[in-house]
Amino acid sequence: DIQLTQSPSFLSASVGDRVTITCRASQGISTYLAWYQQKPGKAPNLLIYAASTLQSGVPSRFSGSGSGTEFTLTIISLQPEDFATYYCLQLNSYPPYTFGQGTKLEIK
Amino acid sequence: EVQLVESGGGLIQPGGSLRLSCAASGFIVSSNYMNWVRQAPGKGLEWVSVIYTGDTTYYADSVKGRFTISRDNSKNMLYLQMNSLRGEDTAVYYCARGIYCSSGSCYGMDVWGQGTTVSVSS
Repeated sequence: DIQLTQSPSFLSASVGDRVTITCRASQGISTYLAWYQQKPGKAPNLLIYAASTLQSGVPSRFSGSGSGTEFTLTIISLQPEDFATYYCLQLNSYPPYTFGQGTKLEIK
Repeated sequence: EVQLVESGGGLIQPGGSLRLSCAASGFIVSSNYMNWVRQAPGKGLEWVSVIYTGDTTYYADSVKGRFTISRDNSKNMLYLQMNSLRGEDTAVYYCARGIYCSSGSCYGMDVWGQGTTVSVSS
């Protein structure tokens, strides 16, 4: 099974900051990776799919990069509504599909 | 509007059974890879099961042999039959649509329901 290691688990930042979250796969997954934002009591919201494609309606301050085993989600100029928990998800080559452990982004 | 709406959650005793339903609108369930994902209280997301367009199904090891995913094409519905429930199955269960899927791989899951809560306790 493919494991995803997401880091950091917690991140403290201020409005206007730039932050980066990393997801590392235990084996190559091409670009079969997505990033999600989740707020308390809500379903996950797709931000990025295919590792770097911005989902329709998602602000351009969110971006994704990477392929193979190393992936990053970058948020530039943090806004108050960006403080949430972020997850990566790999869906490569037959299940089990796996999520990263999550990164909780908090206001400093 | 493309939408998923789950139902069927509730409080159930250990060893009991429950069937979750997911009603789709705005797209055809049978033409997409459809998934169930769960989230235990205070925990992260866990993939549970998928059904492909060709009826192939897969399950997480934690539910294999106890849960069954299915769909009703005439009703455009997705289901999750959960048997032999355990305390560790307590979670919010989401149905979600895979996007740009082929040969077992997808580039993401784009449409999610609001979730239905399953609590397993005596």
